[in-house]
Order: sequence, then C-alpha cells, then structure tokens
Amino acid sequence: GENVEQHPSTLSVQEGDSAVIKCTYSDSASNYFPWYKQELGKGPQLIIDIRSNVGEKKDQRIAVTLNKTAKHFSLHITETQPEDSAVYFCAPRIYSGGYQKVTFGTGTKLQVIP
Amino acid sequence: EAQVTQNPRYLITVTGKKLTVTCSQNMNHEYMSWYRQDPGLGLRQIYYSMNVEVTDKGDVPEGYKVSRKEKRNFPLILESPSPNQTSLYFCASSDTRTGARETQYFGPGTRLLVL
Repeated sequence: GENVEQHPSTLSVQEGDSAVIKCTYSDSASNYFPWYKQELGKGPQLIIDIRSNVGEKKDQRIAVTLNKTAKHFSLHITETQPEDSAVYFCAPRIYSGGYQKVTFGTGTKLQVIP
Repeated sequence: EAQVTQNPRYLITVTGKKLTVTCSQNMNHEYMSWYRQDPGLGLRQIYYSMNVEVTDKGDVPEGYKVSRKEKRNFPLILESPSPNQTSLYFCASSDTRTGARETQYFGPGTRLLVL
C-alpha cells in the first residue's frame, strides 16, 4: 500500500512568518494531492489541492507545490496568523476507474505564536 | 446546507455490545468512507464505498462492517466492540463524477469509548 510521510510533526512559528510542511508518498499512481486543516473538535477540511498535471497552485496566503518525480508535495503558508494554528494533513489519492484509495499523513501540528 | 452528519457524537459502551454509528450526506455523493483517528497515527481508512452496494476494505477493516443500501447513508457497525476500537471516527463523502471537485467532506466525528 501507499506509504505517506509528513514532516515536521510539530511546527511553531511567529505570527507573520512562513510555514512549510512536506509530504512524501510512495505510489507513483497517486494523482490527486490535497491538504486538510483540522481544528480542535472538528473534522478535517480541505484548504488546497492540486492534481498531478500541475506543479504549483496558490490561493491567497496558501500554496501547494508538487514534485511528481521526487514524489513529494508541500504546503506553504505565508504571513501566518494565529487562526492558522491547527493540525494539517496531507492525503494523496489514487483514483482509477472504479477504485479510489486515500492515505493520510500522520499530521503536522502548527502553532502560530502571536 | 451541504453537510455530512454522524450520530451519535459521543458513545460509551462495553466490550461485546453491538453498536452502529450512522452517517448521512445530502450532497448526492457517490463515494463515502469511514476513518478512525488515533493520536500519532493520523486518519486511517476503515472501509469505503464507491457507490450503492459497492464497498471495499481500507487499511484497518478488522472488527468493522459497513453497508451501502442507499446513496446518502453509510453506517459503520461494530458487531462486538473491543477496547482497541476506542477512537475518534469520521465519515466522509466526495463527488467522483468527471470534472467534479474531488475533495472529501468530513462529518463532525464520533468519539467512542469501549470499556
């Protein structure tokens, strides 16, 4: 099965600084690469995603970059704010016809210090 | 409002007493899935369903059953719960039609304690 590693497991940054979280996956058939944010007491919520035919995508302060050759993708948050504090998960997916397999990373706890 | 609902939100039970956690979505999604979340392990997939009457095992299916008789519902059944099934459970759904946004929408979670 897919092996997914996420680093770092915890990350503390000062408000206004940038944060980068990296996700490495093993199965080259993965074709969809989302990042989810989970706030305390809630279910994960999609914040940004990218498909395998795109190298980078940006949405305001959040961006995702994909390197399919090296099999990793990264979440970039700029100008961090206290409300960015949460746990972030990558979840590369394999989708082919009637088959879909999603594997979550173990999560990164981001703390933004005011 | 588009949403995934789960019930109950909290449940304390004893070993061996059968229980069902319900999951319902109102977005007409084909794909539904169950995950369990444990500290340090992220979310692990238990079962998923590509459509009505089509289910398949995820990474940790032992001790669980599911059914998909209707498109909107995907209940998780623990026939004989054991303490190692104490966990936080999430149901999710997504639209798998060509061109649709592929994100999974998650329910609020069910926290289960098996004594």
